[in-house]
Amino acid sequence: DAGITQSPRHKVTETGTPVTLRCHQTENHRYMYWYRQDPGHGLRLIHYSYGVKDTDKGEVSDGYSVSRSKTEDFLLTLESATSSQTSVYFCAISQGGYQNIQYFGAGTRLSVL
Amino acid sequence: EDKVVQSPLSLVVHEGDTVTLNCSYEVTNFRSLLWYKQEKKAPTFLFMLTSSGIEKKSGRLSSILDKKELFSILNITATQTGDSAVYLCAVEAGNFNKFYFGSGTKLNVKP
Repeated sequence: DAGITQSPRHKVTETGTPVTLRCHQTENHRYMYWYRQDPGHGLRLIHYSYGVKDTDKGEVSDGYSVSRSKTEDFLLTLESATSSQTSVYFCAISQGGYQNIQYFGAGTRLSVL
Repeated sequence: EDKVVQSPLSLVVHEGDTVTLNCSYEVTNFRSLLWYKQEKKAPTFLFMLTSSGIEKKSGRLSSILDKKELFSILNITATQTGDSAVYLCAVEAGNFNKFYFGSGTKLNVKP
């Protein structure tokens, strides 16, 4: 998985609780991304980072926040989880530049009851 | 609005058949188009295309990009059951290394 570790791999939580998902990379890539994947929607970008402390919103950012205090770690937080946030979450990294290929972590399956 | 559209949404074929998957896009400041294969786990990279008319090939899979007509195709010849997966098309566009994904084509290859 190109040196990308997501944790936890599975989580079940209750509505209204905060949840933090972690993405850790060992590739020293500049760009990191959080996506969610739902049936019929492909991969939708939640937030991305283009450097330490540099982040921006994607197309489905409402209800999510992110932080990147180190190159290798990108955290996704659901401040107050809702059932609509039940999904599979993928972290991705890319190096930037001319041959900019995205590589994906194994995913986190989150269920909000 | 940037968008990527894949067709068909799903496809059922038999082993040995040849399939063609389509990806069209409308984005600002196109940089590249990527194809991924996703089985029941993370997407894995297949091809990156940046120039029109240059075929990328890997075994039975090949892909080509048409930047004038804004589409790409992914061909799989002599399909095998192991080709069963969702195939995702992504376009890198804009100024901040963002990727836009289509909803995928689900391929089912029957023995």
